[in-house]
Amino acid sequence: AQSVTQLGSHVSVSEGALVLLRCNYSSSVPPYLFWYVQYPNQGLQLLLKYTSAATLVKGINGFEAEFKKSETSFHLTKPSAHMSDAAEYFCAVTSSGGSYIPTFGRGTSLIVHP
Amino acid sequence: KAGVTQTPRYLIKTRGQQVTLSCSPISGHRSVSWYQQTPGQGLQFLFEYFSETQRNKGNFPGRFSGRQFSNSRSEMNVSTLELGDSALYLCASSPIAEPQETQYFGPGTRLLVL
Repeated sequence: AQSVTQLGSHVSVSEGALVLLRCNYSSSVPPYLFWYVQYPNQGLQLLLKYTSAATLVKGINGFEAEFKKSETSFHLTKPSAHMSDAAEYFCAVTSSGGSYIPTFGRGTSLIVHP
Repeated sequence: KAGVTQTPRYLIKTRGQQVTLSCSPISGHRSVSWYQQTPGQGLQFLFEYFSETQRNKGNFPGRFSGRQFSNSRSEMNVSTLELGDSALYLCASSPIAEPQETQYFGPGTRLLVL
């Protein structure tokens, strides 16, 4: 079985501040990990994914995430928040040799203050 | 390539009615998945089709059904609608059914049941 926990349903930052969105996963086999973003009235869009090539993954819009096996984490970061980053962010997991249907976390709403 | 399209975008129905939602995947994508998104439950997997066969099913009652056509277009049907079926229904496609594959989401159909 696989699961994802996103700590904090809402994260509030000031424009220009560091963004840190937390994701912890549970998987009995090596995982594949994804971060998706959802803007209002839109579907989800891939930000980045970890497929075991490199532990530090760079994505679109200046976001990156680091896979830490020892901590079972895949936190999403961005050095400087922009107003346009305000959205809902979802972490998801699949697993090699297991289900290819992603299990999504509950999502974290990022609020960016001017 | 055109993205995933879903029709209709918005729908209002009354309890007891039935509804059919449509999804056209990205050209060449053979796997189509459906999700229900609500504020209370988050993103929940409904079912996945690959080459016209339902290969995975989530934990939803039999009122929820779907199918996929030879051109990979998919429909989902909900019969005997309940108030709790009000949600955003998202369709996602991927080229093949593998765990490392990105899911490409449509904008969703927002269903309101009165």
